[in-house]
Amino acid sequence: EVQLAQSGAEVKKTGESLKISCKGSGYSFTTYWIGWVRQMPGKGLECVGIIYPGDSDTSYSPSFQGQIIISADKSSSTAYLQWNSLKASDTAMYYCARLRGGAGSWMDVWGQGTTVTVSS
Amino acid sequence: QSVLTQPPSASGTPGQRVTISCSGRSSNIGSNTVNWYQQLPGTAPKLLIYSNDQRPSGVPDRFSGSKSGTSASLAISGLQSEDEADYYCAAWDDSLSGHWVFGGGTKLTVL
Repeated sequence: EVQLAQSGAEVKKTGESLKISCKGSGYSFTTYWIGWVRQMPGKGLECVGIIYPGDSDTSYSPSFQGQIIISADKSSSTAYLQWNSLKASDTAMYYCARLRGGAGSWMDVWGQGTTVTVSS
Repeated sequence: QSVLTQPPSASGTPGQRVTISCSGRSSNIGSNTVNWYQQLPGTAPKLLIYSNDQRPSGVPDRFSGSKSGTSASLAISGLQSEDEADYYCAAWDDSLSGHWVFGGGTKLTVL
């Protein structure tokens, strides 16, 4: 069974760093793009960016360029979303999802989500 | 403000047919296929329709999608109480090196 398992909830202070993870199983992790999607409290879905674990080719959505870092580790079949200095506005649920047929295809399998709470 | 435009809410009674619209531009819906996701309260989104009108295995044929020009629609026939959820459209946008865009979501209420 194809699964994406995300790391647990995080509670951090503004200015702190954070790295959350998304571990793929049940498929060839290196041959499918992975996307990260943000959902702020009570709001809709926004794509943060995508990564191809095979060669770490990465594309960030314009609103998130320079704000976050997406990476992947082929050896552990894990993708990461990282912040160097958190802001209160980073408080949200973050989902990872597999892109089925290429970067511009569709997100067919989703992780359970990681809640990130940032306070001062 | 989301790049793709959806009505914030929709409603219907059990058994009815409802449609949810999604409007974009030439760089996204006009050039690429549209996907629809269903998000039940407190859960992760689930793929409902892909490539404009394709249903993944397990999705009832009550759900259907269509696209014309820079707009797309999701139709739900034979509405059931368990269809009460948030629905999002999404498409790849070719501008600025390419990125995913979503609609703002439509909250469907089954009366």
